[in-house]
Amino acid sequence: NAGVTQTPKFQVLKTGQSMTLQCAQDMNHEYMSWYRQDPGMGLRLIHYSVGAGITDQGEVPNGYNVSRSTTEDFPLRLLSAAPSQTSVYFCASSQDSYQETQYFGPGTRLLVL
Amino acid sequence: SQQGEEDPQALSIQEGENATMNCSYKTSINNLQWYRQNSGRGLVHLILIRSNEREKHSGRLRVTLDTSKKSSSLLITASRAADTASYFCATVRWDYKLSFGAGTTVTVRA
Repeated sequence: NAGVTQTPKFQVLKTGQSMTLQCAQDMNHEYMSWYRQDPGMGLRLIHYSVGAGITDQGEVPNGYNVSRSTTEDFPLRLLSAAPSQTSVYFCASSQDSYQETQYFGPGTRLLVL
Repeated sequence: SQQGEEDPQALSIQEGENATMNCSYKTSINNLQWYRQNSGRGLVHLILIRSNEREKHSGRLRVTLDTSKKSSSLLITASRAADTASYFCATVRWDYKLSFGAGTTVTVRA
């Protein structure tokens, strides 16, 4: 199993540009989520999904969209990038519920100029 | 807002020594999880302890949970250079919200 994969590993955007961060898992996990990690802030939940076709907002959802058309994929879209979205983004999945062990991807480092 | 807060923020120890870090939280939890993050990498799950458990072990790791004090501790015994990493606690509330603390950075000196 590849586990949780994320692409790209690193991206530079200009303010106002849009892009999609890809996340895929091959463990047949129902729950998937996106976090951002900023220095001294820990991880903050952006959006999460409890299964295909179902998504919900986390702690810091503004400026981001998600969709879940399949169990495997959970892309995160930045609609109009802002410097405040410079961060490291992690995707995670868990098997049965939001409460259980989270499996994390390697992260995407995003720089918005 | 962060539910869990780790203490200390940073810890430097000699190889072979024990490292202890603490996590305090504010509201009732379903379980508490500890994760490790090596520099530039994703988080790796270490241990999950449920609210009705008081202590769990995994290799050189020992986690305790005191729900009356709303705190948990992670002990790494006989530390190695490979234990150099950031350690995060994540609390899972009964409404299923998972919240990470800011982490403890551990440096193990050779």
